[in-house]
Amino acid sequence: AQSVSQHNHHVILSEAASLELGCNYSYGGTVNLFWYVQYPGQHLQLLLKYFSGDPLVKGIKGFEAEFIKSKFSFNLRKPSVQWSDTAEYFCAIGGSQGNLIFGKGTKLSVKP
Amino acid sequence: SQTIHQWPATLVQPVGSPLSLECTVEGTSNPNLYWYRQAAGRGLQLLFYSVGIGQISSEVPQNLSASRPQDRQFILSSKKLLLSDSGFYLCAWSHIEGFGYEQYFGPGTRLTVT
Repeated sequence: AQSVSQHNHHVILSEAASLELGCNYSYGGTVNLFWYVQYPGQHLQLLLKYFSGDPLVKGIKGFEAEFIKSKFSFNLRKPSVQWSDTAEYFCAIGGSQGNLIFGKGTKLSVKP
Repeated sequence: SQTIHQWPATLVQPVGSPLSLECTVEGTSNPNLYWYRQAAGRGLQLLFYSVGIGQISSEVPQNLSASRPQDRQFILSSKKLLLSDSGFYLCAWSHIEGFGYEQYFGPGTRLTVT
């Protein structure tokens, strides 16, 4: 069965620190991978996605993620976080029924 | 452009009462539609999905049901709410061509069962 693991439940950083949020998935076939973000009081929105091609994908607001097939990973990175990046981040994999299978999410708190 | 609406935004209901949450999509036709429940520390759990009018698939056995009476309308219901039904319910849609493509989420409904 497909599953997604996000190992960090809550990450606290100071502004300008670098960010890396881990995401591992279990599925042996072709994968579609996503990162979604939920800012406080807002609804879930797509941050970036990987379907095929260049394994380093760039998303909105300076975020990027790297698909490493051998490690079944799709980690999210940002070189320098801002207070406005405070949010909950969800990694997801495309499921066989067209649904998304989400990880449990990582809360990011950025201290000004 | 496409938009997705959910209502109500918040709901407080007593145990044993019925439930009806509505989701509508505008600006697209024949979408895949999904209901998820988000619980703190547990991520998003897929409850139901639909690939067409009257076609509903359930992922998790539970106290809830879903219906799709029109192409762009998806309804989540319960005859008798349980305390464990409390949570944040999200509706989403995706293009019907192909699987695993990105989904677009509504603003959600916060349900508290008392």
